[in-house]
Amino acid sequence: EIVLTQSPATLSLSPGERVTLSCRASESHSYFLAWYQQKPGQAPRLLISDTSNRATGIPDRFSGSGSGTDFTLTISSLEPEDFATYYCQHRNNWPPGFTFGPGTRLDI
Amino acid sequence: QLQLEESGPRLVKPSETLSLTCTVSGGSISDNNYYWGWVRQTPGKVLEWIGIIFYTGKTYYNPSLESRVTLSIDTSKSQFSLRLTSVTAADTAMYFCVRDASRGGTDYWGQGTLVTVSS
Repeated sequence: EIVLTQSPATLSLSPGERVTLSCRASESHSYFLAWYQQKPGQAPRLLISDTSNRATGIPDRFSGSGSGTDFTLTISSLEPEDFATYYCQHRNNWPPGFTFGPGTRLDI
Repeated sequence: QLQLEESGPRLVKPSETLSLTCTVSGGSISDNNYYWGWVRQTPGKVLEWIGIIFYTGKTYYNPSLESRVTLSIDTSKSQFSLRLTSVTAADTAMYFCVRDASRGGTDYWGQGTLVTVSS
């Protein structure tokens, strides 16, 4: 079973700053990596699928990259509405199924 | 716009069965591009995949829950359901029903329903 580690657990930043969030998998094999944003009292929202594909309606200040065991989500310039918790998700190629990382909370 | 809505009891007694239903509107539950499934979030904010089901009824479960979980689907009602048996306090969580596009990510989520396991 692949285990995802996200770092840091919490990050305090200001609007306008650039941030890169990390997600590391315990092993490398064929799978897909996605990123989600969650605000208090809301369901997670898909930001990025398949490592780097922005979901519909997601601003281009969000970008994803990575390969092997190391993946990142970058927000180029933080907006006030970006302060939330971010989760990465590992998705099996086959059989279908997925696991989530523990999350990184982004505080203003 | 696709919408998913969870329904079912919010309070379940230990050792009993948790049952939730998700109603899909604004799209077809029989679309063969997607799976339908359940994700839960513990009070400590850990997200856990429970399982997914295809419109044909084919299911895939989280191995850690597989012995207690059953998913089913009723395409005529645009609904799919979760049954989790022998619940304990550790099953207390927010339960989300979701649409899963596999490589395309888990792209639609219900608003979630908090289920508490307590006597």
